[in-house]
Parts: sequence; C-alpha cells; structure tokens
Amino acid sequence: GAGVSQTPSNKVTEKGKYVELRCDPISGHTALYWYRQSLGQGPEFLIYFQGTGAADDSGLPNDRFFAVRPEGSVSTLKIQRTERGDSAVYLCASSPDAGIPGELFFGEGSRLTVL
Amino acid sequence: ELKVEQNPLFLSMQEGKNYTIYCNYSTTSDRLYWYRQDPGKSLESLFVLLSNGAVKQEGRLMASLDTKARLSTLHITAAVHDLSATYFCAVGRDDKIIFGKGTRLHILP
Repeated sequence: GAGVSQTPSNKVTEKGKYVELRCDPISGHTALYWYRQSLGQGPEFLIYFQGTGAADDSGLPNDRFFAVRPEGSVSTLKIQRTERGDSAVYLCASSPDAGIPGELFFGEGSRLTVL
Repeated sequence: ELKVEQNPLFLSMQEGKNYTIYCNYSTTSDRLYWYRQDPGKSLESLFVLLSNGAVKQEGRLMASLDTKARLSTLHITAAVHDLSATYFCAVGRDDKIIFGKGTRLHILP
C-alpha cells in the first residue's frame, strides 16, 4: 500500500488480556515510531526503531509494553496484562530518513479499549 | 527533559481573520514539525523546519522557527472554515520527536 497501515483499527479487550498491534510502514522507510494518543491530548512518544533495533524505548510506560521489528519493516507493539488506563489510540509513523528523521508519515491508528 | 508547550490550546475565530499559534520548547532542538489532525483521523504533516529563521508557507498557513528563542509560530491568514482542526507542533531532539498538546482551532462561518 501507499501509506502506513495499522491493524486492527479497533480492538476491544478485557482487563488482564494480552494484545498485539501491528504496523506496516511505507516500503523502504527505515525509521519507525510508536505513539499513544489519549482523547484531547497530543501523541505521547513510546518507542523509536531505526532498522531492526529499538534506538530509543524510553517512552514505554512500563514492562508490560514491548515492541519488535524483526526484519526492519513490520513492527508489532505488544501489551501484556492490559489495564483500563491503556485505552487510547496507538499511532505508528514511519520516515524515509536514516539517522535524524525528517517528515513522519502516520497511520490511521489502532484504537484500543480495555474494559 | 524536552517539553513542548502550545498556546492557545483552544481558539475560536471568525472566517477572514488572522491569528497565530505559538509553540515554545524547553531545550535545544534540530528540527520542528507542524501537523494537522481532523477529528477521528490521523496526523497530516504540514511543515518541517530545520534551521533558525526558516519560514515555510502553504496556502493560508505560514510557519516560522526561531531556534534562539525556542519558538515556532503558525500563522493563519484570512481563515476559512476548512482550516478547522487540531494543530500540533512537535520538536525533535536526538531520536525523539515530542508533541505539544495541540491547539484546537474552530473557525466560525
């Protein structure tokens, strides 16, 4: 596809369950970011990948959150033992620039609701 | 810690008027971004500013950057209803790109 693709677009789960959110960046983009956006707030940085490695994961709120990008393309954000406070829209963005990224291209997001 | 502050957070204005949104940030940075978000949608890139004194314009929107003052502005000229949206500035430092809380702009016909 032409843009950043995120699946699922909506996910409703129960407290304590495990969820995976997938991001398929624009082909050839080396940089990939995950953000979390709560209602009425700006995107909150979670993690940044340059290629396969997590260059900066300082935004992950706790050890229930983990993200991988094993082949330097698709990335998966994994959340264990979900809590109601995890409910938000999870946004993925990619950028073509290696090193210092320029413009970020965002996906439509995955809306997570934890009941 | 890099912090990004926008003001105002909410702005209601009449069509045809001019206004400016301000973005201040707390530490030195090598790049600044402006994004637009419509309700229920994702973020659309408007501008990337990479150097002190940079000015970019697209239609009725103009963005500028003063790295010495750690300030960027987004100026709206002769606003039209279609510009109603939330506007975010974001600041890059090393690998991180940190967003402000956004300015929710409502333009009245």
